[in-house]
Amino acid sequence: NAGVTQTPKFQVLKTGQSMTLQCAQDMNHNSMYWYRQDPGMGLRLIYYSASEGTTDKGEVPNGYNVSRLNKREFSLRLESAAPSQTSVYFCASSEGQGQPQHFGDGTRLSIL
Amino acid sequence: AQSVAQPEDQVNVAEGNPLTVKCTYSVSGNPYLFWYVQYPNRGLQFLLKYITGDNLVKGSYGFEAEFNKSQTSFHLKKPSALVSDSALYFCAVRDSNYQLIWGAGTKLIIKP
Repeated sequence: NAGVTQTPKFQVLKTGQSMTLQCAQDMNHNSMYWYRQDPGMGLRLIYYSASEGTTDKGEVPNGYNVSRLNKREFSLRLESAAPSQTSVYFCASSEGQGQPQHFGDGTRLSIL
Repeated sequence: AQSVAQPEDQVNVAEGNPLTVKCTYSVSGNPYLFWYVQYPNRGLQFLLKYITGDNLVKGSYGFEAEFNKSQTSFHLKKPSALVSDSALYFCAVRDSNYQLIWGAGTKLIIKP
C-alpha cells in the first residue's frame, strides 16, 4: 500500500526555470493538499483541493499553480522558480477536509 | 485570530522518563485537534486526534494527549520515553474553513 507518492524526491533548479511536482494517492481520498516546510515555520498550505474538480488557494499561493488531474493526482507547478521557493514540499491527502491527513515523503527543492 | 502555539522548540527527556510536548490553541467554535510526528527525511505521520468525548485521547506508539478546554491546551504525553521517540512533533487545529493550522513543531530528544 503506497499511500501518497511524490516525485521527484530531490531537484535543483536555476532561477527562472519551471517544473512540476507530482503527487498521487491510492487511498481514494477526496481532499488533497500541497504544503511547504521551512525551518522553524512549520507547514504552510500552498493550495488544496477539497474534491476532484476544485482547487483553492491556501496561505502562500503566490508563484505556484496546481492541477487536480483526477481523484488520485494533484500536481504543483512553479512557472518561474525563485530562490525564495527553496523548500521541502509535501503533498497530503485526506478523506475529507478537516480529517487526518496522510503525507508523502516530500520533494526537496533547491533553487539557485 | 485562529492559531496554534508550541512554546518549546526542543524538549529533552531521559529514556524511561515520562514526556510532555505542549500545545495551546486559539480557534472559534469546538476545536478539532491533531498531533503528528515527523522522522528525518520523511513526511508527517498522524498520531492522534481529539474531536469530542473523553479529554484523554490515546493514539499510536503509546502516545496520548490531554485536552483541556479551560486552558485551551492539548499536550502530548507518553508515560515512558523511548530513544526511538526522538523526532519532530507537530500540533494542528482545524480552522473555520476546515483547513489545518499547524504549530511550528517541537524537536523531542530522548537520551539513553
